[in-house]
Amino acid sequence: IQMTQSPSLLSASVGDRVTLSCKAGQNINNYLAWYQQKLGEAPKLLIYNANSLQTGIPSRFSGSGSGTDYTLTISSLQPEDVATYFCQQYNSWLTFGSGTKLEIK
Amino acid sequence: EVKLVESGGGLVQPGRSLKLSCAASGFSFNDYWMGWVRQAPGKGLEWIGEINQDSSTINYTPSLKDKFTISRDNAQNTLYLQMSKLGSEDTAIYYCAIELTTEGLFDYWGQGVMVTVSS
Repeated sequence: IQMTQSPSLLSASVGDRVTLSCKAGQNINNYLAWYQQKLGEAPKLLIYNANSLQTGIPSRFSGSGSGTDYTLTISSLQPEDVATYFCQQYNSWLTFGSGTKLEIK
Repeated sequence: EVKLVESGGGLVQPGRSLKLSCAASGFSFNDYWMGWVRQAPGKGLEWIGEINQDSSTINYTPSLKDKFTISRDNAQNTLYLQMSKLGSEDTAIYYCAIELTTEGLFDYWGQGVMVTVSS
């Protein structure tokens, strides 16, 4: 299943509400995860089952969506959120999106 | 605390083989699926495969099924990735990860190990 993320690069200001998009090639039944990867680090799980917040992740992160269209929202962007964000489906085998690089304006 | 430490990477010539290890601690290793993911320099994440608790089920991404072999030793709390016929396209950071919550979901990752395929 192909996963398409947009935009590939996003520049926003501290405090902004930020929305990242992930579109699946077919219905993935909410088996959708979001990972954050900071430069030089391993990915970290943020959201699973489309909208469940992983333990220890700040509540400014949230996930939504259904069917083929999913969204990761950061309610108030912080400097430490600079990273690349990947979505991943686990409904049928496993595939990752190509990522959205988030930077501070 | 969950800890995953990969080892065995380095520089390898094209066509050769290499075996990576992932030492696990901080959780009951033989209770969970484990997986491998790689990331070519400056690129995205690519799922390699996963193995269930007793090694009876091993899934691979189709394009790597004939080159890579995943195994585990529950007595040693160690996950392995045997790679053969390596080419430049296999140059990447290789991560092991635990599927703690559910199969297919990577809750925790190791720090990764670099594999460079070059003559």
